[in-house]
Amino acid sequence: DAKTTQPPSMDCAEGRAANLPCNHSTISGNEYVYWYRQIHSQGPQYIIHGLKNNETNEMASLIITEDRKSSTLILPHATLRDTAVYYCIVKAGANNLFFGTGTRLTVIP
Amino acid sequence: DAMVIQNPRYQVTQFGKPVTLSCSQTLNHNVMYWYQQKSSQAPKLLFHYYDKDFNNEADTPDNFQSRRPNTSFCFLDIRSPGLGDAAMYLCATERTGQNTGELFFGEGSRLTVL
Repeated sequence: DAKTTQPPSMDCAEGRAANLPCNHSTISGNEYVYWYRQIHSQGPQYIIHGLKNNETNEMASLIITEDRKSSTLILPHATLRDTAVYYCIVKAGANNLFFGTGTRLTVIP
Repeated sequence: DAMVIQNPRYQVTQFGKPVTLSCSQTLNHNVMYWYQQKSSQAPKLLFHYYDKDFNNEADTPDNFQSRRPNTSFCFLDIRSPGLGDAAMYLCATERTGQNTGELFFGEGSRLTVL
C-alpha cells in the first residue's frame, strides 16, 4: 500500500473549518483514501473514504486532487470534541489497514 | 450500543504471566483484526481472521497467539508478557465485500506489565 505523509500537528479555532492535508504521491489506481480519527484513549473511528471524486458525509468532506497525489479532510465547523489524531490511509480494497503517524488536531476554544 | 466489545478494559499482569484479552462483536462481520498500540504511536496490525483463516503479520512475535472459536468472538493470548508488551490492544471488525473499508473498533484493552 502507498505511504502517506501528514503534518504531525495542527491547531484550529473552535467553530472554524479544520483542513487536514495528506500527501500520497505513490498512490496506485486501485487504492482508496481513507480517513480515521482516534480520540484519546478510544479506538479509531472511521470518518470517510474516496477513490477520486470528492466525498461528503455527516462528519466531514474529503477533497482529492485530480492527480490523486494528495487529499484534504475538511471538518466544516470544528468543535472541542474533534480534538484527536487523524490518520490518512491509502489501501486497495482487499488489503489490510495500516496506520501511519497521523496528525494531532487540537481545537482551541 | 457498543458493537465491538473488548474485555477487560484494563489488565495488569506480572512479567511472564500469561494474559488473554477478549473481543466480541454483534455485527456478524467475517473479518476480525488485532492491533497493538504503544504509547504515542500509531496502531500496529498483529494479525487478522478472514472467517476462520488466520493471517499473521510477518513481524508479529511468536509470543502473541489468537483464537477465534466462532464468528462473534476472538481472543488474543500473550503467552509470556514482557515489559515491551505493555500497550493498548485494539480489536476491529470488517465485513468484506461491501468495499467500504470501514473497520469498527472496540474501545481497547490497556495492558500493564509489572
